[in-house]
Amino acid sequence: DTEVTQTPKHLVMGMTNKKSLKCEQHMGHRAMYWYKQKAKKPPELMFVYSYEKLSINESVPSRFSPECPNSSLLNLHLHALQPEDSALYLCASSQVQGNTDTQYFGPGTRLTVL
Amino acid sequence: GNSVTQMEGPVTLSEEAFLTINCTYTATGYPSLFWYVQYPGEGLQLLLKATKADDKGSNKGFEATYRKETTSFHLEKGSVQVSDSAVYFCALRKRDGNNRLAFGKGNQVVVIP
Repeated sequence: DTEVTQTPKHLVMGMTNKKSLKCEQHMGHRAMYWYKQKAKKPPELMFVYSYEKLSINESVPSRFSPECPNSSLLNLHLHALQPEDSALYLCASSQVQGNTDTQYFGPGTRLTVL
Repeated sequence: GNSVTQMEGPVTLSEEAFLTINCTYTATGYPSLFWYVQYPGEGLQLLLKATKADDKGSNKGFEATYRKETTSFHLEKGSVQVSDSAVYFCALRKRDGNNRLAFGKGNQVVVIP
């Protein structure tokens, strides 16, 4: 099973709202990732968690706040977003390192900020 | 640094035609190489991968061979179907301890019946 699940599938929010995106995997992976993808572009890395600790923050604005409550779950808390933050948000997971470190992606949450 | 270059522009072809999407890379050492596919409205799916020189990845009729001498990982399929219409991303894994991926820009493939 190489499934990564994400909820919700679609999200519309106003600039003053607070919302959260959720990601879950049961492959025993200890690395989890958040990506942002704009239309017709490749995914851009936002955050990496390794063994439930934040290891990479790609200079993401503080209105995005990641959280990794356990090895299977990854959240992205959203607050005071801007319309330009509208995008597809993808979660991925992998082994931490080694030859079996392929990243597996979820289906994404399509976010619209009004 | 590590980077991936894909051929420019969308690819439009007829059903049962032969598909090639070019991918070349720049990297130190021996990165793992991947092709991901993104169908309309969906996330990325791993299509195939190769972890060392001369490895051939294959899946669903698609193939790509890790060519160290030409630093390439071109994707091929002998006979495409309408259902292969998607965006295809070539990627390499940077061996930097953080498992980051470097993506190419992607190629939109449209298969016409």
